[in-house]
Amino acid sequence: DGGITQSPKYLFRKEGQNVTLSCEQNLNHDAMYWYRQDPGQGLRLIYYSQIVNDFQKGDIAEGYSVSREKKESFPLTVTSAQKNPTAFYLCASKSSLGTGANTEAFFGQGTRLTVV
Amino acid sequence: SQQGEEDPQALSIQEGENATMNCSYKTSINNLQWYRQNSGRGLVHLILIRSNEREKHSGRLRVTLDTSKKSSSLLITASRAADTASYFCAPNLSGGYNKLIFGAGTRLAVHP
Repeated sequence: DGGITQSPKYLFRKEGQNVTLSCEQNLNHDAMYWYRQDPGQGLRLIYYSQIVNDFQKGDIAEGYSVSREKKESFPLTVTSAQKNPTAFYLCASKSSLGTGANTEAFFGQGTRLTVV
Repeated sequence: SQQGEEDPQALSIQEGENATMNCSYKTSINNLQWYRQNSGRGLVHLILIRSNEREKHSGRLRVTLDTSKKSSSLLITASRAADTASYFCAPNLSGGYNKLIFGAGTRLAVHP
């Protein structure tokens, strides 16, 4: 089955630790995204990548880092510099066929990160 | 910002009623997409309307787009309890094809 998979579903982090959230897709999509969602709120863009070995900051990139070494994978690291990391994190991917303008995004099921 | 702003923030209706959600945006777009999110889950794509289209249907969903007013609406007809979810619009900026921004969404509650 083609799809986008996030792991783990739940993650607990101690203060001062870095943690890495996994996002893998087998849809052959070029573009991938990370969003943060706080309770009752919308999605805020953290980072996005349009192609392998390239990524751009979104609106709330501080305290986060990403890599895009493979087309299928776009891991997100929540660093100790992120002071309030407890949130629901969503990964998405999107085809860039042609201009990529008229394609839909596919989302993973999310990772709920809690600082303990 | 290129993101869409949904209105109302929350909507509560009875089963069988219609639900209308609105989205406004500020810049020129290629298309506008609507997504649905069930509580604690990822978003699911509902419908995409291109900038040269004025109306589009998919089952019980009807989307309109008015580029002169920079606004879109999503109508869900004959709503069901299973339609309870948050709904988000995502304007796709002209020239910024791969930057996907969402607003705060409309939380819809459909009561049996």
